[in-house]
Amino acid sequence: EVQLVESGGNLVQPGGSLRLSCAASGFAFSTYWMYWVRQAPGKGLECVANINQDGSAEYYVDSVKGRFTISRDNVKNSLYLQLNSLSDEDTAVYFCARVFRPQFRMDAFDVWGHGTMVTVSS
Amino acid sequence: DIQMTQSPSSVSASVGDRVTITCRASQDINNWLAWYQEKPGKAPKLVIYAASSLQSGVPLRFSGSGSGTDFTLTISSLQPEDFATYYCQQANSFPPTFGPGTKVEI
Repeated sequence: EVQLVESGGNLVQPGGSLRLSCAASGFAFSTYWMYWVRQAPGKGLECVANINQDGSAEYYVDSVKGRFTISRDNVKNSLYLQLNSLSDEDTAVYFCARVFRPQFRMDAFDVWGHGTMVTVSS
Repeated sequence: DIQMTQSPSSVSASVGDRVTITCRASQDINNWLAWYQEKPGKAPKLVIYAASSLQSGVPLRFSGSGSGTDFTLTISSLQPEDFATYYCQQANSFPPTFGPGTKVEI
């Protein structure tokens, strides 16, 4: 079964850090661009970062540049997101997602994890 | 960033109704448009990709159309399991951006 499972979400104080993980199974993880997408409570969806197949290229939305770092380990079939200098605006459910067609950097997202909740609060 | 808008923001409908949701991009995105269905507490589910291609396993009552800046998602005969929030998403330029969602409710 094709699956993505996130972990690492937690309650963290403003200015704090957190590392999210996403374990992939059931598909050739190393052949896909991967994304982190977040959804603040009661709000819409926002792509925050993506990474290419071998981890040599990564892109970030302006609101997280310099604070978040996406990475991957193709041996462990895992995707990561390091979150630093967190503010309450980063409170959200964080999903990892797979692009639909592996040859494309951007595409629809056909596989999503269940999400992991990050709450930034003092 | 490309801005995506959707209308209506919510629609009240009954089982068997035909429902149409529109999505507009702030610039030409060719056919790089996807539609998702989201239910509370669940991850979004891909319904349509490339503006009009039905994702595997999605019922034929769902269809998508459009190109350029204007797109539509149509549910031909609403079923109880279709009550959800629907989002459009552009994949033409980074970052991929989503519309604000349309809630389909009874």
